[in-house]
Amino acid sequence: GDSVTQTEGQVALSEEDFLTIHCNYSASGYPALFWYVQYPGEGPQFLFRASRDKEKGSSRGFEATYDKGTTSFHLRKASVQESDSAVYYCALGEWDSNYQLIWGSGTKLIIKP
Amino acid sequence: GPKVLQIPSHQIIDMGQMVTLNCDPVSNHLYFYWYKQILGQQMEFLVNFYNGKVMEKSKLFKDQFSVERPDGSYFTLKIQPTALEDSAVYFCASSLALRGNTLYFGEGSRLIVV
Repeated sequence: GDSVTQTEGQVALSEEDFLTIHCNYSASGYPALFWYVQYPGEGPQFLFRASRDKEKGSSRGFEATYDKGTTSFHLRKASVQESDSAVYYCALGEWDSNYQLIWGSGTKLIIKP
Repeated sequence: GPKVLQIPSHQIIDMGQMVTLNCDPVSNHLYFYWYKQILGQQMEFLVNFYNGKVMEKSKLFKDQFSVERPDGSYFTLKIQPTALEDSAVYFCASSLALRGNTLYFGEGSRLIVV
């Protein structure tokens, strides 16, 4: 079945560091790819999405590019802030199935002041 | 962004009792979802709902669970009877369309079964 893999369970950075959180997917079709962010005590917030190969999604300084060749949708930010501390989830949704979002296991981002 | 409201935010309930979690989805959305999250773990899909019917449910959606949205009011998740393992945060979400569409989540209802 379809799946999403986030290899980093936790990432610790200092303010103004460059961020990469890796997301790889496996899908039988041509899925839409999403990034969500979850702050403590809150529900997941939609960050952005991409629906086709080479499409770049972006929001709040975060960005990711849909890469069908490497089946990846890595999240990047040039300069992180303490307020970015949260759990980041990569997810996929199939276009041609009676679908539910398939979630990655999440990556906890800790920003040291 | 679009807002999904959930009531209550917290509830403590005795094992075996019934609980109803309420969700007010985004106003023009047509598809509704419940997800379960145990502390520190990832989101797990329970069920999705459209046009008055359950469309898809996971193995976590036990027989004790039911969902409805009577007369366009709250979208509800009812658990009857509750069990200790039902303790979790339950998130409601809604989307305008189904396939490949963006889900918007509420802030969650934390359920503690004692």
